[in-house]
Amino acid sequence: DTGVSQNPRHKITKRGQNVTFRCDPISEHNRLYWYRQTLGQGPEFLTYFQNEAQLEKSRLLSDRFSAERPKGSFSTLEIQRTEQGDSAMYLCASSISGQENYGYTFGSGTRLTVV
Amino acid sequence: AQSVTQPDIHITVSEGASLELRCNYSYGATPYLFWYVQSPGQGLQLLLKYFSGDTLVQGIKGFEAEFKRSQSSFNLRKPSVHWSDAAEYFCAVVSSTSGTYKYIFGTGTRLKVLA
Repeated sequence: DTGVSQNPRHKITKRGQNVTFRCDPISEHNRLYWYRQTLGQGPEFLTYFQNEAQLEKSRLLSDRFSAERPKGSFSTLEIQRTEQGDSAMYLCASSISGQENYGYTFGSGTRLTVV
Repeated sequence: AQSVTQPDIHITVSEGASLELRCNYSYGATPYLFWYVQSPGQGLQLLLKYFSGDTLVQGIKGFEAEFKRSQSSFNLRKPSVHWSDAAEYFCAVVSSTSGTYKYIFGTGTRLKVLA
């Protein structure tokens, strides 16, 4: 297992376009989290899955954002009609339920630039 | 509401000098506390964690942290800094409301190491 994988690493898009990011968690991890990190800030929680069920969404996740984890394995985060304020690093993390005190494993992130 | 404060945005130390990065948290119950390190353009790597037991915890790369409940602090220390330690450091507490176990991060401390 090579850890949490995120693709693409970088994405530059024009304002108004749609973008989709992918996260492949550690295979035995049933919990998957998405975070957003803007410049000079710590990561902020966006949403969380346990298996295929999306159990919580932050108020940061506007209607333009949607996340899926269709088979409880990989997850996608889609941003529709991107805005310049969406420019950020999008981080994915995974863990095993009941072992949250051991910490999450984060991916290397997808850096989105909206021009 | 749960929160994490990292009072120092930037810290500069000379290679070989000792280091202490401050972290204060606000959390009603016994917290799960973490320190992560992030190199430029990369994801977050877990340095160490505290959830119970000995209040002085050891981590990777020679780092340690001490949990002080009376001061609501979880400061990160290293006796002798190496140039490769230059990075951004994030303190986090896990919020277990609604069973989500999501991280709440501080805003980070950027460490610069002088040769």
